[in-house]
Amino acid sequence: AAGVIQSPRHLIKEKRETATLKCYPIPRHDTVYWYQQGPGQDPQFLISFYEKMQSDKGSIPDRFSAQQFSDYHSELNMSSLELGDSALYFCASSPTGTGSTDTQYFGPGTRLTVL
Amino acid sequence: SQQGEEDPQALSIQEGENATMNCSYKTSINNLQWYRQNSGRGLVHLILIRSNEREKHSGRLRVTLDTSKKSSSLLITASRAADTASYFCAWSGGYQKVTFGTGTKLQVIP
Repeated sequence: AAGVIQSPRHLIKEKRETATLKCYPIPRHDTVYWYQQGPGQDPQFLISFYEKMQSDKGSIPDRFSAQQFSDYHSELNMSSLELGDSALYFCASSPTGTGSTDTQYFGPGTRLTVL
Repeated sequence: SQQGEEDPQALSIQEGENATMNCSYKTSINNLQWYRQNSGRGLVHLILIRSNEREKHSGRLRVTLDTSKKSSSLLITASRAADTASYFCAWSGGYQKVTFGTGTKLQVIP
């Protein structure tokens, strides 16, 4: 079965650079979520989109922005990168807008390293 | 985590034994899910239990939910070395986001 696809899988950036992470949800899933997991930490919710509109917001820094496109894929844009942004970034998708009742299926993650 | 926690933080057992992990949360919830994560890898969904359910089974997994105590447990029976991973509970009470517990690191010794 098709799963959530994230690209790139690994990314190395310098401080103050920008990065763009991409997420392709499971077909027919219209809701995507972004999570950040620091080393040894539990995943923290960043932001979610339903039908191309931001639907919920968590602890996402102002330096980060995200959007969902007409084909339901999503991109997380990160600017002025800091060392503390080094983490695993997960995207998840669910089939309806009612994420509170649906299972979220996670992608393999993008490992971002900021040097 | 200020939202909830899991215990134990780490668990080491022999292959064939049962493993029990507990999760506590602080808010009202719609559902609670358990995920497995191998080191540095993605999160694999194991099971979802809704707030009106008390127990659910899936293969060697058994999940219980006690909303009065705001707690859940995951039991893995007849553990295998391949079960070695971190296990996270995650709950949803609001509209969209899922909040994760701190995770339990399980090591199954062959």
